[in-house]
Amino acid sequence: DQQVKQNSPSLSVQEGRISILNCDYTNSMFDYFLWYKKYPAEGPTFLISISSIKDKNEDGRFTVFLNKSAKHLSLHIVPSQPGDSAVYFCALNTGNQFYFGTGTSLTVIP
Amino acid sequence: ETGVTQTPRHLVMGMTNKKSLKCEQHLGHNAMYWYKQSAKKPLELMFVYSLEERVENNSVPSRFSPECPNSSHLFLHLHTLQPEDSALYLCASSQGVGTGGRTGNTIYFGEGSWLTVV
Repeated sequence: DQQVKQNSPSLSVQEGRISILNCDYTNSMFDYFLWYKKYPAEGPTFLISISSIKDKNEDGRFTVFLNKSAKHLSLHIVPSQPGDSAVYFCALNTGNQFYFGTGTSLTVIP
Repeated sequence: ETGVTQTPRHLVMGMTNKKSLKCEQHLGHNAMYWYKQSAKKPLELMFVYSLEERVENNSVPSRFSPECPNSSHLFLHLHTLQPEDSALYLCASSQGVGTGGRTGNTIYFGEGSWLTVV
């Protein structure tokens, strides 16, 4: 039973425009939400997170939005840069448990 | 550099071999994890150790055997693997939270060990 879904396996965006990556979940038990970025042949690296008591967290070009009623998480990257091309995973956390989405492959076109 | 180091980065082994993957974390965390990533599949949790005690084993076949001698080191012993076990094996660590804790937890991954079973 997949608790976390990233319904878009891939996304292409022009350099300088906004990239929006989405993540949906089914269970309300999670209290912390994270985004990770992964290049080929490397492990995922932590990008940004948000607590369940907030609806927005911003860090430079990256903003994470949380809509608890819709059980929806999104990551906005603006402006997008070619170096942002990677696979992005959302992750949901409760205690020591982490549940990961299947990933969205972002390509930023120069 | 994430503070989690995995060796070897690449491993090719036959089905009758015995090998081990090693992980070391320099972050002072007290929870460590093994994940498996196969092509086009979500990350699969294999094992979780918290304070050196195994707290979760997601029905992983016995040909995978974890060992956590202390809070900084984690091993994955491999024996009589199958070709379908070929994948990227990721070690990770987190600070860990106790029961009832409300603090968010962030997990940090190593670079991964690419395993090919021939």
